[in-house]
Amino acid sequence: GAGVSQTPSNKVTEKGKYVELRCDPISGHTALYWYRQSLGQGPEFLIYFQGTGAADDSGLPNDRFFAVRPEGSVSTLKIQRTERGDSAVYLCASSSDRDGTQYFGPGTRLLVL
Amino acid sequence: QQPVQSPQAVILREGEDAVINCSSSKALYSVHWYRQKHGEAPVFLMILLKGGEQKGHEKISASFNEKKQQSSLYLTASQLSYSGTYFCGTETSGNTGKLIFGQGTTLQVKP
Repeated sequence: GAGVSQTPSNKVTEKGKYVELRCDPISGHTALYWYRQSLGQGPEFLIYFQGTGAADDSGLPNDRFFAVRPEGSVSTLKIQRTERGDSAVYLCASSSDRDGTQYFGPGTRLLVL
Repeated sequence: QQPVQSPQAVILREGEDAVINCSSSKALYSVHWYRQKHGEAPVFLMILLKGGEQKGHEKISASFNEKKQQSSLYLTASQLSYSGTYFCGTETSGNTGKLIFGQGTTLQVKP
């Protein structure tokens, strides 16, 4: 079946602009996760959704970052007033209730100039 | 707190074995292992839940020592396809979904 998909695959923006990153989880997966990965580092947790609600948003670095999952499927990560330090690969993962295994999408490479 | 992986990097010849370790300063509920190739998404390898179980498939297996808060990934008779960066992701309580990843171990398998 189809895996996790993310769009766009690459995004170049200017400092101060607003960006939206989209994640389509595996069909039927109730849990959805956002991570951020910088070069040479492991993924860094941002936020976790169970259904439509954010179960844990403790990893969001500041109030410029916001994520939604209005219908319990697709999620959008929104970054306001982007900064150069936001440049990274943003990974999305999803899991079912059965065993908690998280399956990752290919990521969105964000570059803030 | 981020788990610590060791070694940071390892180079092997095809057919050799390797062990990658993951240590946490916090009590762990589960450990998740992933392999990531350059420019690609992390690929799930296995998950270990507290209870000290050992898991494996084919020539890759892992153990979880709950008391020591450590997990080890064992790669036997390595193949070229095993090259990549291996990450452990740790969960400190059940059903949180929040994985804290180590800094990664880069494995290079040469012919």
